[in-house]
Amino acid sequence: GENVGLHLPTLSVQEGDNSIINCAYSNSASDYFIWYKQESGKGPQFIIDIRSNMDKRQGQRVTVLLNKTVKHLSLQIAATQPGDSAVYFCAENNAQAGTALIFGKGTTLSVSS
Amino acid sequence: DAGVTQSPTHLIKTRGQQVTLRCSPKSGHDTVSWYQQALGQGPQFIFQYYEEEERQRGNFPDRFSGHQFPNYSSELNVNALLLGDSALYLCASSLFEYREEKLFFGSGTQLSVL
Repeated sequence: GENVGLHLPTLSVQEGDNSIINCAYSNSASDYFIWYKQESGKGPQFIIDIRSNMDKRQGQRVTVLLNKTVKHLSLQIAATQPGDSAVYFCAENNAQAGTALIFGKGTTLSVSS
Repeated sequence: DAGVTQSPTHLIKTRGQQVTLRCSPKSGHDTVSWYQQALGQGPQFIFQYYEEEERQRGNFPDRFSGHQFPNYSSELNVNALLLGDSALYLCASSLFEYREEKLFFGSGTQLSVL
């Protein structure tokens, strides 16, 4: 299951599929970007971050891609598992200026087994 | 090592009342930020406290105020509650030198205004 290009509020995938969650950020001065996972009844949990001097960063099963030209951020989750079901938010800020985080609209990922 | 703890977990108030929410930061952290998360939306920044002073503020009215204590814990106060203040209020802590990096969130206080 892939969700490429546009932001969609929900994404449903099968266990084992790769998931792609997209985010369009608003401020061209932003130089730091984070993806958070929020499970029901909990606060946001850090997944992975990337600075504006990079265009790709990999973690464990997750990859973040940054396209500054079109102000687009994506989160790729490999071999999606039921435990990945949650709401995913991207957030941005101007770390140099020390501004507060601005969160995007969330995407609800549902993984069925 | 306890993470960010918030109290209470749930709260019901009526319009016009005042409310105080509490937050204890993660051990070793000195900065506390508060966010409001309306249903189905991303968190919105309210303000940040460091060294017992408000360092940054988002686009929220003066009805929203806060405090940070010498032990780094913090309170969020909201006066003259409106129905639209119903939301999940999240506290996040960090080390000031890292700014918004390495931000740890609590599970929040769910406020319902009737």
